[in-house]
Amino acid sequence: DQQVKQNSPSLSVQEGRISILNCDYTNSMFDYFLWYKKYPAEGPTFLISISSIKDKNEDGRFTVFLNKSAKHLSLHIVPSQPGDSAVYFCAASAIGGNKLVFGAGTILRVKS
Amino acid sequence: GAGVSQSPSNKVTEKGKDVELRCDPISGHTALYWYRQSLGQGLEFLIYFQGNSAPDKSGLPSDRFSAERTGGSVSTLTIQRTQQEDSAVYLCASSTSTGGYEQYFGPGTRLTVT
Repeated sequence: DQQVKQNSPSLSVQEGRISILNCDYTNSMFDYFLWYKKYPAEGPTFLISISSIKDKNEDGRFTVFLNKSAKHLSLHIVPSQPGDSAVYFCAASAIGGNKLVFGAGTILRVKS
Repeated sequence: GAGVSQSPSNKVTEKGKDVELRCDPISGHTALYWYRQSLGQGLEFLIYFQGNSAPDKSGLPSDRFSAERTGGSVSTLTIQRTQQEDSAVYLCASSTSTGGYEQYFGPGTRLTVT
Protein backbone atom coordinates (compact mmCIF):
# COMPACT_ATOMS: atom_id res chain seq x y z
CA ASP A 1 0.00 0.00 0.00
CA GLN A 2 2.01 2.94 -1.34
CA GLN A 3 0.74 6.08 0.31
CA VAL A 4 3.23 8.28 -1.57
CA LYS A 5 3.79 7.60 -5.25
CA GLN A 6 6.31 8.95 -7.69
CA ASN A 7 5.18 7.47 -10.95
CA SER A 8 8.13 8.60 -13.07
CA PRO A 9 11.23 6.53 -12.29
CA SER A 10 13.41 8.90 -14.30
CA LEU A 11 13.45 12.25 -16.05
CA SER A 12 15.94 13.74 -18.47
CA VAL A 13 16.10 17.52 -19.01
CA GLN A 14 18.35 19.86 -20.93
CA GLU A 15 20.44 22.31 -18.91
CA GLY A 16 18.66 25.64 -18.51
CA ARG A 17 15.20 24.16 -18.97
CA ILE A 18 12.58 23.47 -16.31
CA SER A 19 12.50 20.16 -14.45
CA ILE A 20 9.12 19.08 -13.07
CA LEU A 21 8.97 16.18 -10.66
CA ASN A 22 5.59 14.87 -9.61
CA CYS A 23 4.26 13.13 -6.52
CA ASP A 24 0.83 11.80 -5.58
CA TYR A 25 -0.41 10.74 -2.17
CA THR A 26 -3.43 8.88 -0.90
CA ASN A 27 -3.53 9.62 2.84
CA SER A 28 -5.68 12.68 3.59
CA MET A 29 -4.06 12.88 7.05
CA PHE A 30 -0.79 14.06 5.54
CA ASP A 31 -0.25 17.71 6.42
CA TYR A 32 3.39 18.36 5.62
CA PHE A 33 5.34 17.48 2.52
CA LEU A 34 9.05 17.50 1.83
CA TRP A 35 11.40 16.95 -1.06
CA TYR A 36 14.77 15.34 -0.51
CA LYS A 37 17.66 15.05 -2.93
CA LYS A 38 20.06 12.13 -2.89
CA TYR A 39 23.44 11.70 -4.54
CA PRO A 40 25.00 8.23 -4.87
CA ALA A 41 26.62 6.92 -1.67
CA GLU A 42 25.22 9.81 0.35
CA GLY A 43 22.18 10.17 2.57
CA PRO A 44 19.20 12.20 1.40
CA THR A 45 19.43 15.94 2.01
CA PHE A 46 16.45 18.17 2.66
CA LEU A 47 15.57 20.43 -0.23
CA ILE A 48 12.25 22.18 0.32
CA SER A 49 8.97 21.63 2.14
CA ILE A 50 5.38 22.81 2.19
CA SER A 51 2.63 22.80 4.76
CA SER A 52 -0.87 21.75 3.76
CA ILE A 53 -2.15 25.25 4.52
CA LYS A 54 -0.16 26.59 1.57
CA ASP A 55 -0.28 25.83 -2.13
CA LYS A 56 3.16 27.10 -3.08
CA ASN A 57 6.57 27.51 -1.53
CA GLU A 58 9.57 28.94 -3.32
CA ASP A 59 13.27 28.83 -2.49
CA GLY A 60 15.60 30.13 -5.15
CA ARG A 61 15.43 27.87 -8.20
CA PHE A 62 13.14 25.42 -6.40
CA THR A 63 9.37 25.74 -6.09
CA VAL A 64 6.97 23.20 -4.65
CA PHE A 65 3.28 23.29 -5.57
CA LEU A 66 0.59 21.50 -3.58
CA ASN A 67 -2.87 20.63 -4.90
CA LYS A 68 -4.73 19.22 -1.93
CA SER A 69 -7.93 18.41 -3.78
CA ALA A 70 -5.97 16.30 -6.24
CA LYS A 71 -3.59 15.00 -3.56
CA HIS A 72 -0.74 15.98 -5.80
CA LEU A 73 2.46 17.94 -5.40
CA SER A 74 5.20 18.86 -7.77
CA LEU A 75 8.73 20.21 -7.58
CA HIS A 76 9.86 22.69 -10.21
CA ILE A 77 13.53 23.41 -10.77
CA VAL A 78 14.26 26.44 -12.94
CA PRO A 79 16.74 26.70 -14.53
CA SER A 80 18.00 23.13 -14.28
CA GLN A 81 21.74 22.64 -13.82
CA PRO A 82 23.92 19.54 -14.29
CA GLY A 83 24.58 19.54 -10.53
CA ASP A 84 20.88 18.94 -9.98
CA SER A 85 21.30 15.43 -11.37
CA ALA A 86 20.32 13.18 -8.46
CA VAL A 87 17.48 11.08 -7.11
CA TYR A 88 14.59 13.15 -5.77
CA PHE A 89 12.33 11.75 -3.08
CA CYS A 90 8.94 13.09 -2.15
CA ALA A 91 7.99 12.54 1.50
CA ALA A 92 4.95 13.22 3.65
CA SER A 93 4.15 13.44 7.32
CA ALA A 94 0.78 13.00 9.00
CA ILE A 95 -0.69 15.35 11.60
CA GLY A 96 1.14 14.69 14.85
CA GLY A 97 3.17 12.02 13.11
CA ASN A 98 6.73 11.11 13.85
CA LYS A 99 7.88 9.47 10.66
CA LEU A 100 8.17 10.35 7.02
CA VAL A 101 6.53 8.26 4.32
CA PHE A 102 8.65 8.33 1.19
CA GLY A 103 7.99 7.78 -2.47
CA ALA A 104 10.24 5.50 -4.52
CA GLY A 105 12.16 8.42 -5.98
CA THR A 106 12.71 9.92 -9.43
CA ILE A 107 16.14 9.97 -11.04
CA LEU A 108 16.74 13.38 -12.60
CA ARG A 109 19.42 13.76 -15.22
CA VAL A 110 20.26 17.24 -16.43
CA LYS A 111 22.18 17.18 -19.70
CA SER A 112 24.67 19.93 -20.53
CA GLY B 1 31.94 16.57 11.60
CA ALA B 2 28.61 18.06 12.60
CA GLY B 3 26.40 15.71 10.58
CA VAL B 4 24.87 12.33 11.26
CA SER B 5 27.47 9.58 11.04
CA GLN B 6 26.95 5.87 10.52
CA SER B 7 29.23 2.88 10.73
CA PRO B 8 30.21 0.73 9.04
CA SER B 9 29.66 2.21 5.61
CA ASN B 10 29.53 -1.28 4.11
CA LYS B 11 28.87 -4.65 5.69
CA VAL B 12 28.90 -8.04 4.01
CA THR B 13 27.68 -10.90 6.13
CA GLU B 14 26.67 -14.50 5.70
CA LYS B 15 23.07 -15.56 5.99
CA GLY B 16 22.22 -16.45 9.57
CA LYS B 17 24.77 -14.16 11.20
CA ASP B 18 23.88 -11.21 13.45
CA VAL B 19 24.88 -7.65 12.53
CA GLU B 20 25.01 -4.35 14.39
CA LEU B 21 24.74 -0.99 12.68
CA ARG B 22 25.64 2.21 14.49
CA CYS B 23 24.33 5.75 14.23
CA ASP B 24 25.68 8.94 15.82
CA PRO B 25 23.06 11.68 15.49
CA ILE B 26 23.68 15.40 15.36
CA SER B 27 24.48 16.68 18.83
CA GLY B 28 21.39 18.09 20.51
CA HIS B 29 18.90 16.33 18.25
CA THR B 30 16.35 14.59 20.41
CA ALA B 31 14.67 12.53 17.70
CA LEU B 32 16.36 9.65 15.89
CA TYR B 33 14.97 7.53 13.06
CA TRP B 34 16.03 4.40 11.23
CA TYR B 35 14.95 3.75 7.65
CA ARG B 36 16.01 1.25 5.03
CA GLN B 37 16.09 1.47 1.29
CA SER B 38 15.92 -1.72 -0.69
CA LEU B 39 16.98 -1.77 -4.32
CA GLY B 40 14.59 0.30 -6.45
CA GLN B 41 12.41 1.19 -3.49
CA GLY B 42 11.77 4.30 -1.46
CA LEU B 43 12.85 4.71 2.12
CA GLU B 44 10.96 2.46 4.53
CA PHE B 45 10.49 3.61 8.12
CA LEU B 46 11.76 1.16 10.74
CA ILE B 47 11.88 2.75 14.19
CA TYR B 48 11.79 6.15 15.90
CA PHE B 49 13.23 7.37 19.20
CA GLN B 50 12.25 10.61 20.91
CA GLY B 51 14.05 11.53 24.10
CA ASN B 52 13.29 9.09 26.90
CA SER B 53 9.92 8.04 25.50
CA ALA B 54 9.23 4.47 24.44
CA PRO B 55 10.33 4.03 20.82
CA ASP B 56 7.88 3.68 17.96
CA LYS B 57 8.77 0.24 16.60
CA SER B 58 5.84 0.01 14.21
CA GLY B 59 8.05 -0.24 11.12
CA LEU B 60 10.29 -3.10 12.20
CA PRO B 61 9.66 -5.93 9.68
CA SER B 62 10.18 -8.82 12.09
CA ASP B 63 11.31 -9.69 15.60
CA ARG B 64 14.80 -10.29 14.24
CA PHE B 65 15.16 -6.51 14.15
CA SER B 66 15.77 -4.44 17.28
CA ALA B 67 17.27 -1.08 18.11
CA GLU B 68 18.57 0.73 21.14
CA ARG B 69 19.44 4.30 21.86
CA THR B 70 21.82 4.76 24.76
CA GLY B 71 21.96 7.98 26.73
CA GLY B 72 19.68 9.71 24.30
CA SER B 73 22.43 9.83 21.70
CA VAL B 74 24.06 6.91 19.87
CA SER B 75 21.78 4.24 18.44
CA THR B 76 22.45 0.65 17.40
CA LEU B 77 20.24 -1.31 15.01
CA THR B 78 20.67 -5.07 15.41
CA ILE B 79 19.53 -7.66 12.91
CA GLN B 80 19.65 -11.23 14.14
CA ARG B 81 19.89 -14.30 11.92
CA THR B 82 20.19 -12.18 8.79
CA GLN B 83 18.36 -13.21 5.63
CA GLN B 84 19.08 -12.26 2.03
CA GLU B 85 16.00 -10.05 1.94
CA ASP B 86 17.61 -7.92 4.66
CA SER B 87 20.12 -6.66 2.07
CA ALA B 88 19.53 -2.91 1.77
CA VAL B 89 20.95 0.47 2.66
CA TYR B 90 20.11 1.31 6.27
CA LEU B 91 19.77 5.03 6.88
CA CYS B 92 19.71 6.90 10.15
CA ALA B 93 18.29 10.38 10.55
CA SER B 94 17.94 12.84 13.40
CA SER B 95 15.90 15.95 13.99
CA THR B 96 15.28 18.58 16.60
CA SER B 97 11.55 17.99 16.91
CA THR B 98 8.77 15.54 16.30
CA GLY B 99 6.21 15.86 13.53
CA GLY B 100 8.39 14.51 10.76
CA TYR B 101 9.80 17.87 9.84
CA GLU B 102 13.25 18.22 8.36
CA GLN B 103 15.24 15.16 9.16
CA TYR B 104 18.98 15.06 8.64
CA PHE B 105 20.28 11.82 7.23
CA GLY B 106 23.56 9.99 7.56
CA PRO B 107 25.30 8.40 4.57
CA GLY B 108 23.86 4.99 5.33
CA THR B 109 25.22 1.47 5.82
CA ARG B 110 25.02 -0.82 2.83
CA LEU B 111 24.27 -4.32 4.11
CA THR B 112 24.76 -7.30 1.85
CA VAL B 113 23.70 -10.72 3.07
CA THR B 114 25.26 -13.56 1.06
